[in-house]
Amino acid sequence: AQSVTQPDIHITVSEGASLELRCNYSYGATPYLFWYVQSPGQGLQLLLKYFSGDTLVQGIKGFEAEFKRSQSSFNLRKPSVHWSDAAEYFCAVGSTGGGNKLTFGTGTQLKVEL
Amino acid sequence: DTAVSQTPKYLVTQMGNDKSIKCEQNLGHDTMYWYKQDSKKFLKIMFSYNNKELIINETVPNRFSPKSPDKAHLNLHINSLELGDSAVYFCASSQSGGGYEQYFGPGTRLTVT
Repeated sequence: AQSVTQPDIHITVSEGASLELRCNYSYGATPYLFWYVQSPGQGLQLLLKYFSGDTLVQGIKGFEAEFKRSQSSFNLRKPSVHWSDAAEYFCAVGSTGGGNKLTFGTGTQLKVEL
Repeated sequence: DTAVSQTPKYLVTQMGNDKSIKCEQNLGHDTMYWYKQDSKKFLKIMFSYNNKELIINETVPNRFSPKSPDKAHLNLHINSLELGDSAVYFCASSQSGGGYEQYFGPGTRLTVT
C-alpha cells in the first residue's frame, strides 16, 4: 500500500530565509508525486508534480522539489520565503491505476516570522 | 470561471438529518473525487468516479452515497448524520490515467451538532 510521511508537523522560518519541507513516500513502483498548498479556509492548490525525467522539478511561487529514489524522498524547497507562504503543505503520492487515488501525508504547517 | 465548485460552502445541521453537497467541474475532466479532511487536517479519499462509474470506494459508511449524473457533476449525499461526520469535504477532478494532477474545490465545512 502506498503511504506518505511528512515528519515535520510545524515549521517556523523567518521571512527571507530558505525553506525545506520533508516528504518520504512508500510505493512499489515509480511514483507520481505532488506537493499541494492549502491556505486557511481554502482548497488545495498544486505547487508542483513529478512523473518522470528530471528529478528536480520547478513549480509555482518559486518552489522546487527534488525526487530522490534512493531515499524515497520528495522534499520541497524555496530559497527565500515570503510571509504569504504561510500555509499548510501536503505531499501526496498517486497510484498508477485503480482510479488515480492520491494518498496524502499529514501535512506541515508553515509559519513565517516577519 | 471557477474550475471546481462546491455548494454549500458551510453546512450546519443536527444529528440524524440527511444532507447533500454538490460538486461541479468545468475542466472537461472524466474523473471526480470526494475527499474528507478531519480536524487534524488529514485528507483521505472517499470515492472516485470515472465517466459516471464508481472506481474507488474506500471504507466509508454506507450512509454516504455519491451520485454522478454526468461527468461534470459528483454529488455526495449523507444520511443520518453523526457528530463524527463533522469535517471539511473536498471535491476534486482530473483526467483519468496515471499521474494527472487533481484540481480541488474550495471545500464544504460540515458541522453536525
